[in-house]
Amino acid sequence: GQQVMQIPQYQHVQEGEDFTTYCNSSTTLSNIQWYKQRPGGHPVFLIQLVKSGEVKKQKRLTFQFGEAKKNSSLHITATQTTDVGTYFCAVASGTYKYIFGTGTRLKVLA
Amino acid sequence: DTAVSQTPKYLVTQMGNDKSIKCEQNLGHDTMYWYKQDSKKFLKIMFSYNNKELIINETVPNRFSPKSPDKAHLNLHINSLELGDSAVYFCASSQDLGTGNEQYFGPGTRLTVT
Repeated sequence: GQQVMQIPQYQHVQEGEDFTTYCNSSTTLSNIQWYKQRPGGHPVFLIQLVKSGEVKKQKRLTFQFGEAKKNSSLHITATQTTDVGTYFCAVASGTYKYIFGTGTRLKVLA
Repeated sequence: DTAVSQTPKYLVTQMGNDKSIKCEQNLGHDTMYWYKQDSKKFLKIMFSYNNKELIINETVPNRFSPKSPDKAHLNLHINSLELGDSAVYFCASSQDLGTGNEQYFGPGTRLTVT
């Protein structure tokens, strides 16, 4: 079945450092979504990317969809303690469902 | 107002018991889902319903039976609970069927089977 790998699995950064997580699919994607799950919380939708090479920004977060639509990245500039959590990509699989990536757990050290 | 709510939040039970988790959404969405998140945080879809109709039924033991009495509610009944069923179960909803819609997740139900 379709596999969606995210790297790294874990990342510890000092507050103020940048952070990037990558999402890689074995198949071409129609679209990709990103979610954030705080510790003890539930996944919360961040953004959706649809077009090849698309770049979207939300304050300190930059999302990119690869040119071949097989990978995506989420970059956080100058991390803050509020960025702590697990970041998931979710890729459309067929018409009706999303497969979630393996997740990247971010820890920010103050 | 909570958009997607689940009850109970915590559920501790013994092997062999039968239990149910309830989910309600007040967003007016047509589609609802059940996801299972294991101890390694992997999030896997189990079922989806659209307007009370079962759409997705992943490879889930038939001890798990979802029921949607109306499009705002999706319940999950689990028979003969096993240790491996211990996980966090999330309900979610989206505007309608089809990818391209963001999913709204409930707070989760942490199930512990002893």
